[in-house]
Amino acid sequence: GQQLNQSPQSMFIQEGEDVSMNCTSSSIFNTWLWYKQDPGEGPVLLIALYKAGELTSNGRLTAQFGITRKDSFLNISASIPSDVGIYFCATTGNTPLVFGKGTRLSVIA
Amino acid sequence: DTAVSQTPKYLVTQMGNDKSIKCEQNLGHDTMYWYKQDSKKFLKIMFSYNNKELIINETVPNRFSPKSPDKAHLNLHINSLELGDSAVYFCASSLGLAGGPQSRQFFGPGTRLTVL
Repeated sequence: GQQLNQSPQSMFIQEGEDVSMNCTSSSIFNTWLWYKQDPGEGPVLLIALYKAGELTSNGRLTAQFGITRKDSFLNISASIPSDVGIYFCATTGNTPLVFGKGTRLSVIA
Repeated sequence: DTAVSQTPKYLVTQMGNDKSIKCEQNLGHDTMYWYKQDSKKFLKIMFSYNNKELIINETVPNRFSPKSPDKAHLNLHINSLELGDSAVYFCASSLGLAGGPQSRQFFGPGTRLTVL
């Protein structure tokens, strides 16, 4: 099946730092989504991207759909304690979503 | 007005028992899914239904049987529970199947299943 490479697997950062994570694939897709999962909850959609090169922001979060259509990144600026959680990328072309293995973010106050 | 709801939130049971998890969405979506999230937090798709028809059935033991009585509901029945079935099970729904805004999936809060 399709495989996504999401990195890093985990991050420990100080409050106030910026964070960057990304996903890459060997296949071309037409949609990239970024989700966040808080402990004990289901994943929640943060940002959706539908065009190559598209750059979209949601508050302190910014995500981009790579021009090659094979990758996407998510940046979080000025991290705060409530940013803690697992961030998943997900992508699709003509099949249901394929999820990355997640980036576990820990924020040290 | 919860979009995707699951019951129960927690389920603790003995090996060999049969149990069901229910899922309902009030988003008017046509497609529903079941995922299993293991201890490493990997999200693994199990089943997908579109308009009450099974369209994805990943390599899942046939002890797991989904049932969709209507578009808004997708239940998961598990027979002869085993220790390895312990995990968090998520229901999700989307407007459609593949590509574009219709592929955005909305998740329920999860059901934590513990098999003793």
